[in-house]
Amino acid sequence: DGGITQSPKYLFRKEGQNVTLSCEQNLNHDAMYWYRQDPGQGLRLIYYSQIVNDFQKGDIAEGYSVSREKKESFPLTVTSAQKNPTAFYLCASSARDRGPDTQYFGPGTRLTVL
Amino acid sequence: QQQVKQSPQSLIVQKGGISIINCAYENTAFDYFPWYQQFPGKGPALLIAIRPDVSEKKEGRFTISFNKSAKQFSLHIMDSQPGDSATYFCAATFYTGNQFYFGTGTSLTVIP
Repeated sequence: DGGITQSPKYLFRKEGQNVTLSCEQNLNHDAMYWYRQDPGQGLRLIYYSQIVNDFQKGDIAEGYSVSREKKESFPLTVTSAQKNPTAFYLCASSARDRGPDTQYFGPGTRLTVL
Repeated sequence: QQQVKQSPQSLIVQKGGISIINCAYENTAFDYFPWYQQFPGKGPALLIAIRPDVSEKKEGRFTISFNKSAKQFSLHIMDSQPGDSATYFCAATFYTGNQFYFGTGTSLTVIP
């Protein structure tokens, strides 16, 4: 089955720790995205990547970092600099070379800071 | 600045009724407007999408109405069912681009 997988589903972090959220897709999509979802605030873009080894900051990139070493993988690191990291994190991908092909979302990772 | 504004934040409809969710956008260069449906604990999934060269698109019980001059578009859910209870997001993007701009979401509850 083609799709996007995110792991883990639930993640608990102590204050001051960095954590990395995994996102993998087998849709052969060029573009990948990370969003943060908080109640009543919709989806806010953290980072996106349109091609391997290249990525751009979204609206709320502070305290986060990403890498794009492989087309199918786009991990997100939540650093200790992120002041309020508790949220639901969504990864998405889209086919860059076929117009506005819709974004396909993974099932999400819920991060809780203890 | 919120590029796409969505209302209402929450909506309660009786089974069989019509659910209407509205969105407005600022950038006239947007030319693709999808709607996503999200169930609790899941990622959003594409429901229906429209381009501005048409004023309406219908897929089953779901219809998008588009008003280019008013820079508004809306989702109508006919014969609403309890299984439609979810959060709905509108979005806008450029046909040649990849960045999507999402509304803040509407939590729909359909009462049996």
